[in-house]
Amino acid sequence: SQELEQSPQSLIVQEGKNLTINCTSSKTLYGLYWYKQKYGEGLIFLMMLQKGGEEKSHEKITAKLDEKKQQSSLHITASQPSHAGIYLCGADDSGAGSYQLTFGKGTKLSVIP
Amino acid sequence: NAGVTQTPKFRILKIGQSMTLQCAQDMNHNYMYWYRQDPGMGLKLIYYSVGAGITDKGEVPNGYNVSRSTTEDFPLRLELAAPSQTSVYFCASSWSNTGELFFGEGSRLTVL
Repeated sequence: SQELEQSPQSLIVQEGKNLTINCTSSKTLYGLYWYKQKYGEGLIFLMMLQKGGEEKSHEKITAKLDEKKQQSSLHITASQPSHAGIYLCGADDSGAGSYQLTFGKGTKLSVIP
Repeated sequence: NAGVTQTPKFRILKIGQSMTLQCAQDMNHNYMYWYRQDPGMGLKLIYYSVGAGITDKGEVPNGYNVSRSTTEDFPLRLELAAPSQTSVYFCASSWSNTGELFFGEGSRLTVL
């Protein structure tokens, strides 16, 4: 089965700093999903990437998909305390769609005011 | 806008007891899923359904059963609870098999 490696496992940044989280797959990526989770809550969908080289942005969060490297990166610009949480990537390695997603273990982000 | 609703939010079970985790969505989604999340681990797919009357196993189905009699509801049944089933369970739904998953807030289950 697919392995998804997220790095770093945890990250502490000062408010206002930029940061990047990576998600690397051991298999071909047919789709890559980014979610954010706050403690005690469900996962909130951030972005979905499907094509190599695709880049999407939402507010201060940008995600890119590098098909050749089988990797996606999530970049946050000028971080805020509201960005704190656990970021998880989910990948479709079968081409079957979202019901075959494999998730990474998550990156815990803390933002210090 | 309720979205995906899970009940109960917390439950403690004794070994060997049975229980059902309820999941309901009001978005008329065909696809529904059950995941479990263990500490420091990613989500693992337990079961999924592509429509009423159709269910299939995910990565970790042992010890669980599901049914999908209506589009809205997708309950997860634990027949003989074991400590290994201590986890946080998430129900999710989606409109299609290539789109966004909408998650419930989770059900934290402890088996002692």
